[in-house]
Amino acid sequence: SQQGEEDPQALSIQEGENATMNCSYKTSINNLQWYRQNSGRGLVHLILIRSNEREKHSGRLRVTLDTSKKSSSLLITASRAADTASYFCATDARDSNYQLIWGAGTKLIIKP
Amino acid sequence: DTEVTQTPKHLVMGMTNKKSLKCEQHMGHRAMYWYKQKAKKPPELMFVYSYEKLSINESVPSRFSPECPNSSLLNLHLHALQPEDSALYLCASSHSRANTGELFFGEGSRLTVL
Repeated sequence: SQQGEEDPQALSIQEGENATMNCSYKTSINNLQWYRQNSGRGLVHLILIRSNEREKHSGRLRVTLDTSKKSSSLLITASRAADTASYFCATDARDSNYQLIWGAGTKLIIKP
Repeated sequence: DTEVTQTPKHLVMGMTNKKSLKCEQHMGHRAMYWYKQKAKKPPELMFVYSYEKLSINESVPSRFSPECPNSSLLNLHLHALQPEDSALYLCASSHSRANTGELFFGEGSRLTVL
């Protein structure tokens, strides 16, 4: 079952702008991860944030986690054409029998 | 470049064929997974092989059968598939057992069932 919901479903911005994607989930989690997928390719892990962390950075990526609102956001700063991809959140929920629960994904298009 | 290798990259098969998808990792990971992904959808877990134990998503039909010859290989045998089984099949591995950490994905095998 899918507990993650992501918004927006699609996002189109100009190169150089910042892109923000959101992920909401329903149950308590151990951690939340973000993945990127270029069209027709495998998924690439971007960042993992644990339930006791509120913010994490990796290069141009900034992830926040609000466990009280059961939500996370992924911010990509100074976007580039190469950032065009689908972005998925995945939660390691405490009652999921060790299954990752995936969000529906956000399709990000960076216009040159 | 990915450290999880999947073959073949593309496969076209008829509904009466028997074929296999192969996946290999040399990272010493102890958990390996097969996911199915339809277009514009998130991946769906099919099987997990972790510490020599196989876990199956009960919704996966028996025409899919996994095989783990050793800790670095995970095959997916396909038999009597249906056109709706056409999808991208993704293999992944992880350091720790059962989905508690980062997954490393292969590039996928694009399957078309005619």
